[in-house]
Amino acid sequence: QQPVQSPQAVILREGEDAVINCSSSKALYSVHWYRQKHGEAPVFLMILLKGGEQKGHEKISASFNEKKQQSSLYLTASQLSYSGTYFCGTEGYNTDKLIFGTGTRLQVFP
Amino acid sequence: DAGVTQSPTHLIKTRGQQVTLRCSPKSGHDTVSWYQQALGQGPQFIFQYYEEEERQRGNFPDRFSGHQFPNYSSELNVNALLLGDSALYLCASSLPDFRAAFFGQGTRLTVV
Repeated sequence: QQPVQSPQAVILREGEDAVINCSSSKALYSVHWYRQKHGEAPVFLMILLKGGEQKGHEKISASFNEKKQQSSLYLTASQLSYSGTYFCGTEGYNTDKLIFGTGTRLQVFP
Repeated sequence: DAGVTQSPTHLIKTRGQQVTLRCSPKSGHDTVSWYQQALGQGPQFIFQYYEEEERQRGNFPDRFSGHQFPNYSSELNVNALLLGDSALYLCASSLPDFRAAFFGQGTRLTVV
């Protein structure tokens, strides 16, 4: 039931791009994306709802394929501040439970 | 505007004891959810409160209980603590019509 994220880890140089994928075995109503830095709480990035997507930040965007029950997070021209662990959170229909994915650790080096 | 605040930030308890964690939601938010995050893992949903009632529950035993007060603040109670309950406990608040979760800094619980 827990969404599976890929890759598990990504290492980038500043300015490079990355894609993080989130895949669920259940029909999804919405997908959330969060970033968590070491020792800190997860921070909300954006939410994608059925039938649309919402861009939360510059250079960080996401897509939501309802039929495939998948979402992807796109980070372009990465910055050092992008380092952290990224989690997708998924909501099914008729539930308000947010189920977090397995996480993707992203490290950006100068 | 104060965000989500949790207390205490750190706590050490002995096996078998009981613990209460507290959460004040972000201003204007009326829904509170609790999560358990073990080291290196993603947050696991414990339960959610809305209008002082438990609305959703994850796969956690009855030792985990909660409460929401009229001012929307919330408490998480864990009875008969086990070593495996050691984790970061996160509280998140949200609105019913915009379900993005805003997290507090968490309470680090260590059971010895």
